[in-house]
Amino acid sequence: AQSVAQPEDQVNVAEGNPLTVKCTYSVSGNPYLFWYVQYPNRGLQFLLKYITGDNLVKGSYGFEAEFNKSQTSFHLKKPSALVSDSALYFCAVRDGSNYQLIWGAGTKLIIKP
Amino acid sequence: EPEVTQTPSHQVTQMGQEVILRCVPISNHLYFYWYRQILGQKVEFLVSFYNNEISEKSEIFDDQFSVERPDGSNFTLKIRSTKLEDSAMYFCASSADRATNEKLFFGSGTQLSVL
Repeated sequence: AQSVAQPEDQVNVAEGNPLTVKCTYSVSGNPYLFWYVQYPNRGLQFLLKYITGDNLVKGSYGFEAEFNKSQTSFHLKKPSALVSDSALYFCAVRDGSNYQLIWGAGTKLIIKP
Repeated sequence: EPEVTQTPSHQVTQMGQEVILRCVPISNHLYFYWYRQILGQKVEFLVSFYNNEISEKSEIFDDQFSVERPDGSNFTLKIRSTKLEDSAMYFCASSADRATNEKLFFGSGTQLSVL
């Protein structure tokens, strides 16, 4: 069965420091991986995706994610955090045969000044 | 950037009542979706819709739920007889291309409270 795990409910980072939000997945075929962000009182916004190609994917707002097939991970990263990055981050996955996205539980990212 | 619009932003209803949640997808998109998020839980897929019919649905999407595209712009989710456990944030989404699962554009959601 397909699944996504975001092992941290909350991540706290000081402004200006690098941040990492973790995601691991399980799919039967080739994974299509996504990160979405949810700001307070807003809908989900697409950040980036991995379908194929370069393992390092760059997305919106300076975020990037690295696909690691051997570790079945797709961690979200940013070199220097901003207070405005504080939000809820969701990892999602599907395999090539199924169009339903399976979502992680979300990680609350708090960036402190 | 184009937006998906959802109305109302909040809906309060009594158990057993029917509710209709409305969405206006991005105009040139062809694939439409409903997701929901119960407070503190994961985002859950409900249904996808293409070419005026349901293309996929989850176990959650039982006979109490229906979707419709009544005209060229609106996409609605109807819950026929609401239950307490239907209380959640409901998100509509649309995409231009399902084949590669290009990015979904989400609305800001309708918070449904069933009393």
